[in-house]
Amino acid sequence: AIRMTQSPSSFSASTGDRVTLTCRASQGVRSSLAWYQQKPGEAPKLLIYATSTLQSGVPSRFSGSGSGTDFTLTISYLQSEDSATYYCQQYYGYPFTFGPGTKVDMK
Amino acid sequence: EEQLVESGGGLVQPGGSLRLSCAASGFTLSEHSTDWVRQAPGEGLEWIGRVGNKASRYRTQYAAPVEGRFIISTDDSKNSVYLQMNSLKTEDTAVYYCCRSPHGSIGDLWGQGTLVTVSS
Repeated sequence: AIRMTQSPSSFSASTGDRVTLTCRASQGVRSSLAWYQQKPGEAPKLLIYATSTLQSGVPSRFSGSGSGTDFTLTISYLQSEDSATYYCQQYYGYPFTFGPGTKVDMK
Repeated sequence: EEQLVESGGGLVQPGGSLRLSCAASGFTLSEHSTDWVRQAPGEGLEWIGRVGNKASRYRTQYAAPVEGRFIISTDDSKNSVYLQMNSLKTEDTAVYYCCRSPHGSIGDLWGQGTLVTVSS
């Protein structure tokens, strides 16, 4: 199975900060990489799929990039409502696998 | 409004069985793949299986921890997908989500989740 890692595991940032989260796959997944946001007690919400395609309705401050094994999710101007855990997921090969998540808190 | 609603969770003893339902409204579920994802208490997300769309003849795929014990099926007449869980183990305790996965995308619509607790 393809193993996904994410860094950092958690951090705190301030409103207005530019935030970059990283995700790495143990082998190439082409562009078959998605990012989700999950808040406590809620279902995950798709932010980005195919590495960089913004899901409909997701604010444009979210963006994704990368290819092969290294990917990033960038929040260009952090808002208080962005406090959440962010997961990456590869859907290039079965079994689909998630990263362990990055928890983002507000300072 | 497009919506997925899971049901069927509850408390079950180790070795027991449970069937979860994922009912769609506002769209035709059979036109898309449907994935099942679970989240153990305080833990991350774990993909456990998929049923493809009608064009794929509802092809199924499973993760290793559940293969041979869990079965995903569909009922077009009820616009629903099911997760039959057999030989349940304590480590299957989790919130179970279903999600719609259109071609080229994944998990664009999620249900609210249903809690399964496996305990004696």
